[in-house]
Amino acid sequence: AQSVTQLDSHVSVSEGTPVLLRCNYSSSYSPSLFWYVQHPNKGLQLLLKYTSAATLVKGINGFEAEFKKSETSFHLTKPSAHMSDAAEYFCVVSEDKLVFGAGTILRVKS
Amino acid sequence: EAGVAQSPRYKIIEKRQSVAFWCNPISGHATLYWYQQILGQGPKLLIQFQNNGVVDDSQLPKDRFSAERLKGVDSTLKIQPAKLEDSAVYLCASSLAGTAANYGYTFGSGTRLTVV
Repeated sequence: AQSVTQLDSHVSVSEGTPVLLRCNYSSSYSPSLFWYVQHPNKGLQLLLKYTSAATLVKGINGFEAEFKKSETSFHLTKPSAHMSDAAEYFCVVSEDKLVFGAGTILRVKS
Repeated sequence: EAGVAQSPRYKIIEKRQSVAFWCNPISGHATLYWYQQILGQGPKLLIQFQNNGVVDDSQLPKDRFSAERLKGVDSTLKIQPAKLEDSAVYLCASSLAGTAANYGYTFGSGTRLTVV
């Protein structure tokens, strides 16, 4: 069965510093992996996706994620945080349907 | 293209009352999903439709929840009777048939249900 573990429930960074949101997955097959973002009182928005092509995936708003099969990880990074990045981020694994992690709340301090 | 439409945006009901949510997916999307997102948790799949047939409803509390997609387009999710623990955001999503694993879903804005 597929599952996702987001290792941090909350991450706090200063504006202009790097962001790292950690995700480990479990899957019986070669899964597709996604990161979604949810701003307060807004819907879920797809940030990026990995579907067995390049292991380094670039998404919107300067985010990227690296698929590491040996570590079963799919961590999300951004070189420089912006205030508008404050939101909740979900790591998602998919074999036949999307299974969400519990989410990581990112706080950006000015 | 128009997104996934959901209504109402907010609903407050008393426990033991009934409530219904409506979803209109993106045109041409054969697969439709209902998710429940409890505060502080990730969304959990309740039911998946392929056209008007149910693909997966293993996580749907069938004693109180029901869902239908009679014509393979719009869908309704009903709770009867509601409990306090049903307070959550109910998200509808859709995808082209067989593409979710590669492309993910498009989500609606959700319906926030508060049961008091």
